[in-house]
Amino acid sequence: GAGVSQSPRYKVAKRGQDVALRCDPISGHVSLFWYQQALGQGPEFLTYFQNEAQLDKSGLPSDRFFAERPEGSVSTLKIQRTQQEDSAVYLCASSLAPGTVGELFFGEGSRLTVL
Amino acid sequence: KNQVEQSPQSLIILEGKNCTLQCNYTVSPFSNLRWYKQDTGRGPVSLTIMTFSENTKSNGRYTATLDADTKQSSLHITASQLSDSASYICVVSVPTQTDSWGKFQFGAGTQVVVTP
Repeated sequence: GAGVSQSPRYKVAKRGQDVALRCDPISGHVSLFWYQQALGQGPEFLTYFQNEAQLDKSGLPSDRFFAERPEGSVSTLKIQRTQQEDSAVYLCASSLAPGTVGELFFGEGSRLTVL
Repeated sequence: KNQVEQSPQSLIILEGKNCTLQCNYTVSPFSNLRWYKQDTGRGPVSLTIMTFSENTKSNGRYTATLDADTKQSSLHITASQLSDSASYICVVSVPTQTDSWGKFQFGAGTQVVVTP
């Protein structure tokens, strides 16, 4: 596609449910980032992939959060046993270059609401 | 403490007027500094990217400046339009010692409202 695509755009989950958020980056982009954005705040880093390798997962808030990018393209962020504090917008971004050199393209985000 | 501080937190301006947003960072050295525009309910969109050796970059009515000595950047919006209503986020690329890929540090953003 022409841009970064995320799905679902909106997800409502009951506390304790598992959710999976999908990111389809721009074709050929090496770098893929996941961010968590609370209302009125800037994005907070969750994890970084370079192709299929997860080089940094230091921002994942707990072991309930898991991300993968098995073939170096589509990525999935999974949250197990969701809690109310997980409610946020989850942004995916991709870049043609490795690391922080290239331009970063963001998806529209997935807004998760945990009841 | 956030390494990227933005001010003001929010501002309201009349359509057609100019405004300037500030970004102060404590990160040093850094690879590049970026400004993004984020419309409500949308993902951020890049406005400008500056390396440490650049001190100004323009994109239409948006002009970013960078003073690496004082660790300050500003984003100037000229002749504001209603469509400029958005959050403007300053992002600094942070090189790290242990991670080869570096990291992005995001400010909290300045919420701009342009009124008719």
